[in-house]
Amino acid sequence: LAKTTQPISMDSYEGQEVNITCSHNNIATNDYITWYQQFPSQGPRFIIQGYKTKVTNEVASLFIPADRKSSTLSLPRVSLSDTAVYYCLVGDENNFNKFYFGSGTKLNVKP
Amino acid sequence: ETGVTQTPRHLVMGMTNKKSLKCEQHLGHNAMYWYKQSAKKPLELMFVYSLEERVENNSVPSRFSPECPNSSHLFLHLHTLQPEDSALYLCASSPTPRGGAFFGQGTRLTVV
Repeated sequence: LAKTTQPISMDSYEGQEVNITCSHNNIATNDYITWYQQFPSQGPRFIIQGYKTKVTNEVASLFIPADRKSSTLSLPRVSLSDTAVYYCLVGDENNFNKFYFGSGTKLNVKP
Repeated sequence: ETGVTQTPRHLVMGMTNKKSLKCEQHLGHNAMYWYKQSAKKPLELMFVYSLEERVENNSVPSRFSPECPNSSHLFLHLHTLQPEDSALYLCASSPTPRGGAFFGQGTRLTVV
């Protein structure tokens, strides 16, 4: 089971780009990297998923280096509503029991 | 809206009560999950169902009993709970783990 390590918290200001890095040194060959966002008293929301290199969608970008031992979630021009906890998960499609959430990164966006 | 609906949104129950939480998805997903989130703690994976068969049970006390009658519905039956079981209970579904999980809004459970 690949363990992930993220910063406990980060501060940012509105309009800035925020990069949250996750370490997953023992990621397996078949593992994908998935990021979620969670607001208080709500379920996590899927943000983005990738296997290698770069993935971009309308919300964020995910950068994964060649060794895949880490990944970086990039949020462009954050707003106050992006204040939330962000979770990084690794797992593969053949193991349903790998949807384990760590402590996540609490992003605090200031005006 | 994620397509995963949980009812009720809030529930207060005594330690001797029996209640059930319901989760419903019409996304055509094959897997469904129950998570528990206590205050200021990470989400804890409780149960996983794949194609209506339980594939994961993370040492959850027997006072929590899941049921998956079909691929669209998931229940969590509760009986003789303890105050420390008070938490946000989240249901999720996914086409496969690779596709990411879609979560419901959760049920805020308070055991008195």
